[in-house]
Amino acid sequence: QKEVEQNSGPLSVPEGAIASLNCTYSDRGSQSFFWYRQYSGKSPELIMFIYSNGDKEDGRFTAQLNKASQYVSLLIRDSQPSDSATYLCAVNRAGGGADGLTFGKGTHLIIQP
Amino acid sequence: EAGVVQSPRYKIIEKKQPVAFWCNPISGHNTLYWYLQNLGQGPELLIRYENEEAVDDSQLPKDRFSAERLKGVDSTLKIQPAELGDSAVYLCASSFMFGETQYFGPGTRLLVL
Repeated sequence: QKEVEQNSGPLSVPEGAIASLNCTYSDRGSQSFFWYRQYSGKSPELIMFIYSNGDKEDGRFTAQLNKASQYVSLLIRDSQPSDSATYLCAVNRAGGGADGLTFGKGTHLIIQP
Repeated sequence: EAGVVQSPRYKIIEKKQPVAFWCNPISGHNTLYWYLQNLGQGPELLIRYENEEAVDDSQLPKDRFSAERLKGVDSTLKIQPAELGDSAVYLCASSFMFGETQYFGPGTRLLVL
């Protein structure tokens, strides 16, 4: 049974600070890792994806992957109130596997003005 | 470029009634996914299509759920008969190929009374 674990929160962060979102996964065969943002009542939208160990930066967002520890994180710098949403971690066993994305339950992030 | 289109956006039905959801993926995307999302949970895969072939339907409750993608483009997900526990958001997603980034449609919110 593949599992993706996230702290459901809410995680409250002051505006302008760094928000750190964490995710662990159980399937060592996982190859690709995604962070989706979901506003209340809306569908998930892709923030970042990462395939290789290390850091990947895109604007205010940085994804970090450590396959040995089965851990992936998302850092949001200079947090804005518009970043308040639920952040979903998802993993994919690519390369011929029969599965789609396995999602965590999401972390509810609140940026306090 | 148009995104994933879903209809209807909202549906209210009485239990034991049939219901159908429609999805039009992003043009050129060969892989189509149907997910179910309950409140406070991440999306859960119901079925994945590669062109017109269902390659993973292990999580689809086949006694009441069915899906089709006849020409390898649009897809329909059907529930017959609907039960109270089927109330959820049904999300359609597509990707250029399996393992690539998935893009989600706006979802269909189903309420079974």
